[in-house]
Amino acid sequence: EPEVTQTPSHQVTQMGQEVILRCVPISNHLYFYWYRQILGQKVEFLVSFYNNEISEKSEIFDDQFSVERPDGSNFTLKIRSTKLEDSAMYFCASRGPMVTGELFFGEGSRLTVL
Amino acid sequence: SQQGEEDPQALSIQEGENATMNCSYKTSINNLQWYRQNSGRGLVHLILIRSNEREKHSGRLRVTLDTSKKSSSLLITASRAADTASYFCATDVLGDYKLSFGAGTTVTVRA
Repeated sequence: EPEVTQTPSHQVTQMGQEVILRCVPISNHLYFYWYRQILGQKVEFLVSFYNNEISEKSEIFDDQFSVERPDGSNFTLKIRSTKLEDSAMYFCASRGPMVTGELFFGEGSRLTVL
Repeated sequence: SQQGEEDPQALSIQEGENATMNCSYKTSINNLQWYRQNSGRGLVHLILIRSNEREKHSGRLRVTLDTSKKSSSLLITASRAADTASYFCATDVLGDYKLSFGAGTTVTVRA
């Protein structure tokens, strides 16, 4: 069964360092997402990506965040200068070909900022 | 915000009992979806109900949608220990690219 894969599963970094979280969405999907979940809290939307550009982003997704789909298979989230409050679980999701319908989530990347 | 809000925040039941959780939302939706999350894992889609549907079943799951009250409920019948998880409703608004998730209901099924 096709699945969304994310790497790394856990990353520990120092405050101020850059982090790249990687995702391989399901191959025929067209819509890609990043969500984050601070431990035990709600699942927060960060950004959606379609047709090689950001289609929607939340207030959380400020200038320190960026997304890229460099090679047609990977979908990355970069955090330029991490802060303590960026510590969370980051989930990648995809869906398609329709913009409605279920989201398929990866298992998440846990980011710990020290 | 279009986020759903689940109620209750937490629920503890005995194996074999039914679990009911509710979700309320704020604006018109295209569909509403329920997801499950086991501790430390990703979210898994359970069921989708469209705005023109009132009830939907999938195995031991029953979802209702009342668009006039902007609310939905998820019923899990004959619960099992393996149903222990957090359950989230998510709203899909026409014209939006994203799903908006609520805070979730944590269900504990005691053996």
